[in-house]
Amino acid sequence: KNEVEQSPQNLTAQEGEFITINCSYSVGISALHWLQQHPGGGIVSLFMLSSGKKKHGRLIATINIQEKHSSLHITASHPRDSAVYICAVIRGSQGNLIFGKGTKLSVKP
Amino acid sequence: EPEVTQTPSHQVTQMGQEVILRCVPISNHLYFYWYRQILGQKVEFLVSFYNNEISEKSEIFDDQFSVERPDGSNFTLKIRSTKLEDSAMYFCASQGDGHQPQHFGDGTRLSIL
Repeated sequence: KNEVEQSPQNLTAQEGEFITINCSYSVGISALHWLQQHPGGGIVSLFMLSSGKKKHGRLIATINIQEKHSSLHITASHPRDSAVYICAVIRGSQGNLIFGKGTKLSVKP
Repeated sequence: EPEVTQTPSHQVTQMGQEVILRCVPISNHLYFYWYRQILGQKVEFLVSFYNNEISEKSEIFDDQFSVERPDGSNFTLKIRSTKLEDSAMYFCASQGDGHQPQHFGDGTRLSIL
């Protein structure tokens, strides 16, 4: 069983739509990352959070520790947001990341 | 903004050969990681490195693999006797301290023929 589950696996949206990607995890964590992977393969860290909510531009990440659930929201989506969004958790005191399978987002103009 | 740089971007090697993947982490970072992503699969942890020694390694990181920080700036992953199933994208990441995000390089695509 995967320790980090994401939904949906694939998501197609029209430009301007509000997007939500969900992440559930089954292990105790010290922090959770949301990452963006571009078609060329490079990975960029969007957020690292351990409680509450963070906002950066049109991106918002929330986490509910009790429910072991996090969401990534994109407001006013744009074709340049098209990428794979990956949830990854840090388990306990260990620093290494445990990754979800990712959500492939396509935003159509 | 400081970056993690990885070289080469693409490495093609014959099965059985040794490869060295190189990473230059962000200069004041203390924690270093190697991850790999087999095509179409999720990213997997290989090894973490702190204070000039391995701090944790996964089941994947067996005797075929080794890491080194030879000169205080480079961080290398060596794969001996490469196999077809070692073909993957290998990512290096560095981190300032345990409370900061990990910064990833663009990866090295390793193709074993």
